[in-house]
Amino acid sequence: DTAVSQTPKYLVTQMGNDKSIKCEQNLGHDTMYWYKQDSKKFLKIMFSYNNKELIINETVPNRFSPKSPDKAHLNLHINSLELGDSAVYFCASSQGQVLSGEQYFGPGTRLTVT
Amino acid sequence: AQSVTQPDIHITVSEGASLELRCNYSYGATPYLFWYVQSPGQGLQLLLKYFSGDTLVQGIKGFEAEFKRSQSSFNLRKPSVHWSDAAEYFCAVGKYGNKLVFGAGTILRVKS
Repeated sequence: DTAVSQTPKYLVTQMGNDKSIKCEQNLGHDTMYWYKQDSKKFLKIMFSYNNKELIINETVPNRFSPKSPDKAHLNLHINSLELGDSAVYFCASSQGQVLSGEQYFGPGTRLTVT
Repeated sequence: AQSVTQPDIHITVSEGASLELRCNYSYGATPYLFWYVQSPGQGLQLLLKYFSGDTLVQGIKGFEAEFKRSQSSFNLRKPSVHWSDAAEYFCAVGKYGNKLVFGAGTILRVKS
């Protein structure tokens, strides 16, 4: 059983398109995250939701809009895709917002914008 | 601002040799420190974490790390490396709100 799953695993699209990445966790966690890993493997948090409420919103273009329909899902919608959006996007989840809570990561979605 | 530095981009060790991956952090308060491993095409997996108490922490897969406040370091070690340990390793510091700030990663290559 996959703890944190993401779909799709690979996404190739053209500039200007709108795309979504889905994330689901079956761990019963109440906090979910989106991270971006760029071409240099640098991993940076984008968003965090706790009980469907946005709690972390880093300096991310407003073309990126997370949506959490319930505690088990956190989707990422990206409008007007740009070349610089090419990266691997990781979803993660944890129980609570305490720093002692381990974050469980999904396998990643490799987005390529051409 | 908090930051995490992993000075070594690549490290190559022979199978069976010992390993030490370096991590330095910059953080004003008592840090929450983590080591994650990422195998090719996979997500990140937590190896170990430090919050308080004993400065030598044990993790999964035979890894350990030592917190040294005086050196602002949290180096990862393993006494004998296996070929399956080849992966990328990330050190991270936890910020308020459970936000992880990651280092740039160290790629470990294991030669037989």
